[in-house]
Amino acid sequence: DTEVTQTPKHLVMGMTNKKSLKCEQHMGHRAMYWYKQKAKKPPELMFVYSYEKLSINESVPSRFSPECPNSSLLNLHLHALQPEDSALYLCASSLGPAGGLAEQYFGPGTRLTVT
Amino acid sequence: AQSVTQLGSHVSVSEGALVLLRCNYSSSVPPYLFWYVQYPNQGLQLLLKYTTGATLVKGINGFEAEFKKSETSFHLTKPSAHMSDAAEYFCAVSGRGQGAQKLVFGQGTRLTINP
Repeated sequence: DTEVTQTPKHLVMGMTNKKSLKCEQHMGHRAMYWYKQKAKKPPELMFVYSYEKLSINESVPSRFSPECPNSSLLNLHLHALQPEDSALYLCASSLGPAGGLAEQYFGPGTRLTVT
Repeated sequence: AQSVTQLGSHVSVSEGALVLLRCNYSSSVPPYLFWYVQYPNQGLQLLLKYTTGATLVKGINGFEAEFKKSETSFHLTKPSAHMSDAAEYFCAVSGRGQGAQKLVFGQGTRLTINP
């Protein structure tokens, strides 16, 4: 199984809502990532979890709150977002720092629209 | 630190023609190099990667790339374009070990195939 799944596929939320994005992988990967991708731009790294611990936070606003409940799951909690946060949110996973190989496997993304 | 430059934000070729997408990188350490493809409204799919060893790497869908250290390049080629190759292509670089967690993408090249 080389698949990273993300739910929901689409999400529309108001600026006062609280919602969560979910990501799951069953490849035994120990590193998981959140990226934000705006239209016609490359993905921008937001967070990295390594062995279920937050290892990289790319100075992301606190209205985005990541959580890694276990080695297979990654959540992104959203609260008080702004319209400019509308984007495609991609989850990825990789073997992890000790795994040697660095390729990341991406999920299909969640298309988020903030109204 | 690493960076990637993709020459040409848009490349257009005829069906059956050679595809050449250019990527130059900058890295202070021996890099890992990747090409990813993204179809509309989808996540990123790994086409191929260079880590160590053979400098000519073959990927999926008939694509290949050659790592040229002296030219700091990792250009992507395919001998004969197919309509299904139309997509956005991203070149990416990372460091090794802990540095492998941070994937730096180029700005992307949109490939259009003309019938």
